[in-house]
Amino acid sequence: DGGITQSPKYLFRKEGQNVTLSCEQNLNHDAMYWYRQDPGQGLRLIYYSQIVNDFQKGDIAEGYSVSREKKESFPLTVTSAQKNPTAFYLCASTDRQGAADTQYFGPGTRLTVL
Amino acid sequence: KQEVTQIPAALSVPEGENLVLNCSFTDSAIYNLQWFRQDPGKGLTSLLLIQSSQREQTSGRLNASLDKSSGRSTLYIAASQPGDSATYLCAVFWFRGTSYDKVIFGPGTSLSVIP
Repeated sequence: DGGITQSPKYLFRKEGQNVTLSCEQNLNHDAMYWYRQDPGQGLRLIYYSQIVNDFQKGDIAEGYSVSREKKESFPLTVTSAQKNPTAFYLCASTDRQGAADTQYFGPGTRLTVL
Repeated sequence: KQEVTQIPAALSVPEGENLVLNCSFTDSAIYNLQWFRQDPGKGLTSLLLIQSSQREQTSGRLNASLDKSSGRSTLYIAASQPGDSATYLCAVFWFRGTSYDKVIFGPGTSLSVIP
């Protein structure tokens, strides 16, 4: 089955630690996205990548970093510089470079800072 | 500045009713608009995508319309069922030429269909 997987489902982090969230897709999509969702708010774009080895900042990139070394993988690192990292993180992909076709979402990772 | 709003924030209806969810956006130069469904604690599932050149899209009991000039989209759900209970989000995409520019998600409408 084709789709997007995110791991882990739940993640707990101590203050001052960096953590990395995994996102893998086997849909052969070129573009991948990371969003953050907070209660009562719409999703906000953190980073996006339209092709391998290239990515751009979204609206709230501060305190986050990404890499895109393989087409199917787009990991997100939440660094200690992110002041309020507790949130629900969603990864998505589309099947053309930057063209806003239907976005397919993963199941999400819930990050909690202890 | 681009903004996306959704009304109402929450809606509760008896099973079988037809209902309309609203999405409004500023800056009518959109690329497309997408409607999603989100179940609690889960990712988003795409329902309908309307390109900027289209007026509406239909899938089963769902119909989405787009009026760019007024900055509005509606999602119509016919003959609602308890399984339709979820949060519905709209997302608006803007492009510069063929390059992605911005996406903004609305805050969502929480729908509860009572058996």
